[in-house]
Amino acid sequence: EVQLQQSGPEVGRPGSSVKISCKASGYTFTDYVMNWVKQSPGQGLEWIGWIDPEYGSTDYAEKFKKKATLTADTSSNTAYIQLSSLTSEDTATYFCARVGTMGPTFDYWGQGVMVTVSS
Amino acid sequence: DIQMTQSPPVLSASVGDRVTLSCKASQNINKNLDWYQQKHGEAPKLLIYYTNNLQTGIPSRFSGSGSGTDYTLTISSLQPEDVATYYCYQYNSGYTFGAGTKLELK
Repeated sequence: EVQLQQSGPEVGRPGSSVKISCKASGYTFTDYVMNWVKQSPGQGLEWIGWIDPEYGSTDYAEKFKKKATLTADTSSNTAYIQLSSLTSEDTATYFCARVGTMGPTFDYWGQGVMVTVSS
Repeated sequence: DIQMTQSPPVLSASVGDRVTLSCKASQNINKNLDWYQQKHGEAPKLLIYYTNNLQTGIPSRFSGSGSGTDYTLTISSLQPEDVATYYCYQYNSGYTFGAGTKLELK
């Protein structure tokens, strides 16, 4: 069974960084691209970027290029997103989502991680 | 960037109703569109991929159609468990979600 297990809620001070994880199981981690999606409180979904765990290649939405850094550890089948220079605008739930075999479609999602930016 | 406009923002319907949700792209997206369902407090779930392909395990009352800039998600007979927000998502050029349609029971 495919599972994406994300880390727990985070609280970050303004100007600091947080790093959240997404541990994959039930499939070969390096065979599928991992995406990250942001959902601000009460709002819709925003695509942040993707990482190909096999090659480490990445792509980001323009607005997240200086905000997010995507990495992957193939030894632990875990994808990460680091959010830097936190502001109140970064308070949101962050989901990891696997791209399946049907094209750039998200077939499995993590449960989401709430990041709260607060002093 | 391609903009995705969903309508209506909120839809109230009764159990058993046929429900139609719309999604309009700012330019032709060549059927490169998915539909996701998000229930309160949960992660989104894939319903329909590439406009009209039903994801495994999704009830057949859900269907998708469309082409060019206009796309539709239809629920043939609304069930109480269908209360959720529905998002369209295009991947023809970049990756963009619509703002969602919140489906409520009347």
